[in-house]
Amino acid sequence: AQSVTQLDSQVPVFEEAPVELRCNYSSSVSVYLFWYVQYPNQGLQLLLKYLSGSTLVKGINGFEAEFNKSQTSFHLRKPSVHISDTAEYFCAVRGSHGSGNTGKLIFGQGTTLQVKP
Amino acid sequence: DGGITQSPKYLFRKEGQNVTLSCEQNLNHDAMYWYRQDPGQGLRLIYYSQIVNDFQKGDIAEGYSVSREKKESFPLTVTSAQKNPTAFYLCASGATTGTQYFGPGTRLLVL
Repeated sequence: AQSVTQLDSQVPVFEEAPVELRCNYSSSVSVYLFWYVQYPNQGLQLLLKYLSGSTLVKGINGFEAEFNKSQTSFHLRKPSVHISDTAEYFCAVRGSHGSGNTGKLIFGQGTTLQVKP
Repeated sequence: DGGITQSPKYLFRKEGQNVTLSCEQNLNHDAMYWYRQDPGQGLRLIYYSQIVNDFQKGDIAEGYSVSREKKESFPLTVTSAQKNPTAFYLCASGATTGTQYFGPGTRLLVL
């Protein structure tokens, strides 16, 4: 079975500081990995995804994430945050094609990023 | 404009009432999903459908029902058997790479 652990439920940070949101997963098969962002009372918006290839993935709004297979991690980073980055962030995993997976995503519990002025 | 629409934005349910949440997509995706979101619990999968006229239970299907008569539509009915329906409901549709795209959500409240 697959699972996702987001290691921090809340991350407070000052504006223009760097931030890292941590995500670890467990899976017995090769995986696809995703980060989504959710603003209050809205749906989830895709930030970035890792399907294959380069382990450093760049997404929207200046975010990037690095896939580390040996550590089963997919941490999200941004070098300088803005007030507008305040939101909930979700990491998700699914098995890659050929593993018998149905396309279902397994989500972490979410991390609330609070950017302070 | 391609995307996923959900309606209504807010829905109120009376005791013993069934209510239906609408989800429509024009992304030509085969797969569609329904999630429930509660504070501090992330997203939990209710039902999903990989093709028209077929659907499977997710992790918390009890008290819910769905249909998939058209590729574009995947309505969710919250039945009177669901004793704690207050939540934010999110619909998603999926591309072949497994990337899921989400609608804006429906907040269900109990009167």
